[in-house]
Amino acid sequence: GQSLEQPSEVTAVEGAIVQINCTYQTSGFYGLSWYQQHDGGAPTFLSYNALDGLEETGRFSSFLSRSDSYGYLLLQELQMKDSASYFCAVMGGGSYIPTFGRGTSLIVHP
Amino acid sequence: DTGVSQDPRHKITKRGQNVTFRCDPISEHNRLYWYRQTLGQGPEFLTYFQNEAQLEKSRLLSDRFSAERPKGSFSTLEIQRTEQGDSAMYLCASTLGDRNTEAFFGQGTRLTVV
Repeated sequence: GQSLEQPSEVTAVEGAIVQINCTYQTSGFYGLSWYQQHDGGAPTFLSYNALDGLEETGRFSSFLSRSDSYGYLLLQELQMKDSASYFCAVMGGGSYIPTFGRGTSLIVHP
Repeated sequence: DTGVSQDPRHKITKRGQNVTFRCDPISEHNRLYWYRQTLGQGPEFLTYFQNEAQLEKSRLLSDRFSAERPKGSFSTLEIQRTEQGDSAMYLCASTLGDRNTEAFFGQGTRLTVV
């Protein structure tokens, strides 16, 4: 099977930098994705890492270490609108079906 | 709007009734997923289709649940003899191709079983 671990909640202030960690267990790993979900909204895709290293997309960056089965999402210059749940999702086990973690609730304070 | 659409957005039903939800994926997307999400949890995989073929179902999926995608376009998810534990948000997502890593989600159908 597949499993993921991520913190349940992270708090930060506007303008700060926050890192949300994700560790996973799976066989036949393909890649790790990150999704954002606002309350009452649909999950929206943020990033995907298949290879080790850092991928940067604007204020958001995502990192992967395959050897450590670990990744993180880095959010810079936090804004109030970044308050949301963030999910890591692993693709592995022989299929490209995203398996999601339980999510991290990010609360951004003024 | 060319995104993934789901209907209805909300459904309240009495225990024991059958319910059916519909998902219209992005038109050129050939892979379609159904997920269930409860409060404070991540989306939980239920089943997926590659075109009209249902290729995988979660072991957690009760036989009261059935899904179809008859023409490889829209899909329906039916729950028979609903139970209170079925109360959840049911999310549909689609991707272009079988190795496309970006899934597009609909707004979901929130089911409440009373």
